[in-house]
Amino acid sequence: GESVGLHLPTLSVQEGDNSIINCAYSNSASDYFIWYKQESGKGPQFIIDIRSNMDKRQGQRVTVLLNKTVKHLSLQIAATQPGDSAVYFCAVRARGDYKLSFGAGTTVTVRA
Amino acid sequence: KAGVTQTPRYLIKTRGQQVTLSCSPISGHRSVSWYQQTPGQGLQFLFEYFSETQRNKGNFPGRFSGRQFSNSRSEMNVSTLELGDSALYLCASSLGSRGLDGYTFGSGTRLTVV
Repeated sequence: GESVGLHLPTLSVQEGDNSIINCAYSNSASDYFIWYKQESGKGPQFIIDIRSNMDKRQGQRVTVLLNKTVKHLSLQIAATQPGDSAVYFCAVRARGDYKLSFGAGTTVTVRA
Repeated sequence: KAGVTQTPRYLIKTRGQQVTLSCSPISGHRSVSWYQQTPGQGLQFLFEYFSETQRNKGNFPGRFSGRQFSNSRSEMNVSTLELGDSALYLCASSLGSRGLDGYTFGSGTRLTVV
């Protein structure tokens, strides 16, 4: 099965700085990767995704990097804002599978 | 465009009872997945349906079951509730059959078993 782990359970960042959240996965057959943001009392909110045929994808203030060689995924948030305070999850899907395996989540706190 | 709708938002049940949770996916989405979220175990996959067929099931006891209707709406049922079933139950919908289009989650149903 798939094992998904995060490097840090918590991250404190100064407002305006860049944030980097890391995730490691175990299954080399993983082909689809998603980052979610979850605020208190809400369901996970889609941030950005990337397929295994890519190594970088950019969105608005966010970038996802995929290193298939070391099975590592990261989310970069530029110019972090107070509204970015939340729990961030990486989710991984194996080829031919229909479920997502989630990491434990990183709690990001933005300091004013 | 309406998102994924889950009802009810909150539920309190007694041990031994059964419960049914409902999920209406985004219009046009044919895949519906269910996840259980707890502080200790995080997000755990329950099952996935596409066109009324269960394609994947997670490692949960048979007390957990689900189904999908022809309009893609889905329900999950938990029988003989245990205290450990207290959790946030999340539903996610996806457009295509291959699951590469992103999964949109609802706000969840918070189930408390007393």
